[in-house]
Amino acid sequence: DAGVTQSPTHLIKTRGQQVTLRCSPKSGHDTVSWYQQALGQGPQFIFQYYEEEERQRGNFPDRFSGHQFPNYSSELNVNALWLGDSALYLCASSIGRGASGTDTQYFGPGTRLTVL
Amino acid sequence: AQTVTQSQPEMSVQEAETVTLSCTYDTSESDYYLFWYKQPPSRQMILVIRQEAYKQQNATENRFSVNFQKAAKSFSLKISDSQLGDAAMYFCAYRSPNNNDMRFGAGTRLTVKP
Repeated sequence: DAGVTQSPTHLIKTRGQQVTLRCSPKSGHDTVSWYQQALGQGPQFIFQYYEEEERQRGNFPDRFSGHQFPNYSSELNVNALWLGDSALYLCASSIGRGASGTDTQYFGPGTRLTVL
Repeated sequence: AQTVTQSQPEMSVQEAETVTLSCTYDTSESDYYLFWYKQPPSRQMILVIRQEAYKQQNATENRFSVNFQKAAKSFSLKISDSQLGDAAMYFCAYRSPNNNDMRFGAGTRLTVKP
């Protein structure tokens, strides 16, 4: 049973560029959440996708956008990158029952983004 | 807003001994979920244990158990018979049943000495 997968593993970009990160959820899961984890800190919630729509958003600017595909995989896009976007980006999948998914979230290995 | 506090940035334990990691949280809700996640150097966040606030009984998973004190808003993790593979960052997390985000603490780095 494949767990949550993310690609790429590492990424280096320069300021002002745009980046796309990808996530495939655990088999049987239909909900994807994205988190940003700065060095030495706990993860912070960016947004969650369910049924191909953004269900909830954390305190992140519009430069951060996402998408969920019919097969439940998801992308995180970040535009106009700046140094402060350097972080580990984690994807978590779960089963979204009804309006709020209460099931446990399972995490992928993350994508390390470095902005120079 | 709910906040999660882990007051121990680093902890150390001798192999085969027991260690307790602390977590406190702030909430006005009566129903919620609490989690401990482990993040080894491989970076993948691994679920260790989960507790539903409405359950009085403390959750247990093999060598891992929690001490959930709802009134005190405390949720500590006890690791018994510590193993070298337990060395990692441990994060405490809070989730509201009506909300889809999880609030994480800053983490505790656990070192296991052979």
